[in-house]
Amino acid sequence: DGGITQSPKYLFRKEGQNVTLSCEQNLNHDAMYWYRQDPGQGLRLIYYSQIVNDFQKGDIAEGYSVSREKKESFPLTVTSAQKNPTAFYLCASSIYGTSSDTQYFGPGTRLTVL
Amino acid sequence: DAKTTQPTSMDCAEGRAANLPCNHSTISGNEYVYWYRQIHSQGPQYIIHGLKNNETNEMASLIITEDRKSSTLILPHATLRDTAVYYCIVRVRDDKIIFGKGTRLHILP
Repeated sequence: DGGITQSPKYLFRKEGQNVTLSCEQNLNHDAMYWYRQDPGQGLRLIYYSQIVNDFQKGDIAEGYSVSREKKESFPLTVTSAQKNPTAFYLCASSIYGTSSDTQYFGPGTRLTVL
Repeated sequence: DAKTTQPTSMDCAEGRAANLPCNHSTISGNEYVYWYRQIHSQGPQYIIHGLKNNETNEMASLIITEDRKSSTLILPHATLRDTAVYYCIVRVRDDKIIFGKGTRLHILP
């Protein structure tokens, strides 16, 4: 059963703590992405990676970090430097990362900072 | 920052065709038009995309005007499960999709 998985579905953290969100895909896609969605809004790009061991900042990278040690995995760390971390986080992947490729999304992780 | 304009919300009767418009008047010649939908608290689901020609798949049809400044997504026989926010997106460049606020489609029983 191919697809993109994100865990956990719901996550709570105390203010000042770092937290890591998981994203795994078994689609053999080269490119992976992280987006943030706030209530009633569209998605905003945080980071993306088009190849293993390489990644680029998106529009709102401050307060976040990523790694891409394996093709199938692209974890996102929300650090204490992120001032408004409560949001819905979505991971996506595409075959090559070009503009003609379709991005497929995971089910999302809803992060709440208490 | 969004390059597309969509109505905020639309209603459609169950069983009828739902026609969702999108304006993208500043689209460039090599930019694709993509449609996704998002059901509450889930990840966006890919529907269809096109460049110049009309496209059809098992979910929907995409009609792109000859000047490419607008398009229409057609769900041929809407069901209650089609209730969602529909996003029309122009791919700006390789690395990103710019999502606007989309159209909230309500399917009425």
